[in-house]
Parts: sequence; structure tokens; C-alpha cells
Amino acid sequence: GESVGLHLPTLSVQEGDNSIINCAYSNSASDYFIWYKQESGKGPQFIIDIRSNMDKRQGQRVTVLLNKTVKHLSLQIAATQPGDSAVYFCARPGGTGFQKLVFGTGTRLLVSP
Amino acid sequence: EAQVTQNPRYLITVTGKKLTVTCSQNMNHEYMSWYRQDPGLGLRQIYYSMNVEVTDKGDVPEGYKVSRKEKRNFPLILESPSPNQTSLYFCASRQGYDEQYFGPGTRLTVT
Repeated sequence: GESVGLHLPTLSVQEGDNSIINCAYSNSASDYFIWYKQESGKGPQFIIDIRSNMDKRQGQRVTVLLNKTVKHLSLQIAATQPGDSAVYFCARPGGTGFQKLVFGTGTRLLVSP
Repeated sequence: EAQVTQNPRYLITVTGKKLTVTCSQNMNHEYMSWYRQDPGLGLRQIYYSMNVEVTDKGDVPEGYKVSRKEKRNFPLILESPSPNQTSLYFCASRQGYDEQYFGPGTRLTVT
């Protein structure tokens, strides 16, 4: 079946460090992956996405890397700030026609000053 | 401002008392969906709608109903709520394969 998962439930970093959040997937059929950020008391918020014809995509302070050989993707946050504290999910389309998003279980990023 | 709104944000109710959680989006999106979020289980889809009058079941539809009479609204109906429907609910919308927007969530407690 289709699934995504995350390696660590919690990641603690110090302000200013770079953070790396990992995600593995089990089905190679998907050609699209998305990272979401969920702050306490809020709904998931789109961060960045990547398609399978790319290995890397950069946004503002964020980079997503996709390794199709080992079915792994990662979200890198540069110069992590306290405002980056949240739960991060990787997700992929599910169903035959993108009827849903299939989410991983999430990694909670804790940023200490 | 482009947004998805949900009401109420918090609700405590009793078993068997029908309730409706409203969802509205102002982006003219065709696709709308409902998810529930539970500890250790992540986000799971309840129902979705690809367009007006077109709805279908997600992964956990039991005990829920939806309707899509107009493009902007997608209410979630619990005809006879039970304690196992205590959860955090999110409505979402998107256009085609574009970014999916989520509402702020509705925390429901059924006693």
C-alpha cells in the first residue's frame, strides 16, 4: 500500500542550528511529495513540495531532498528559529486521482534559545 | 485573504446529539475534504468532494455525513455522535493539484 512515515517523533535543536527532518515512503508510484508545518492550535500549513523528476528543491530557509533509490526525503531548515517550533509532516497524494493526502506521523521540532 | 474557516472551533457535546461542523472557503476551490487528527494515528481522511454535488468516502467515513450543495461550503454532519468521534477535525480545500489549504481545526469532545 501507500504510506509515508517519519523517522523521529521529536527533534530538539538550538536556535541558529540547521535542522534535518526525515521521511521514508513505501510506494514508488507517487511522483509528488509535500511538507507541512503544524503549529500548536493551527491547521497544517504548506511549506514546500517536490516532484519525482527533481532531487532537490529550495525555498526560503528550507530545502527538500528526495532520494528515490532509498525512498527517502528530508526537509532541511537553515538557521532554525524559535518560530520554527512545530510538528512537521511529509505527505503524498493518495487514491487514483489525488483524492486525498496520506500523511506521515509527524516530527515535533523543538527549538531552544 | 484566502482562507478556510471552520465553526465551531471547540465543541463539547453528549452522545447521540446531532451536530454539524461548518466549513467554508473563499478561493473558489473545487476540491474540499475533511480529516480527523488523533494522537498516534495522524491525519486521516473522512470524506472528500471533487465538486458540487460530488462527494465520496475517505478512509474513516463511518458515523459521518457530508453535503456539497454549493462550492464554498462543505459541512460535516455527525447524526449520532459517539465518544470515539472525539477528535480534532480539519477541513481542507484546493484547486486541481495545487497547494491544499487547511482550516484552523475544530476540537470536538463527545461525552
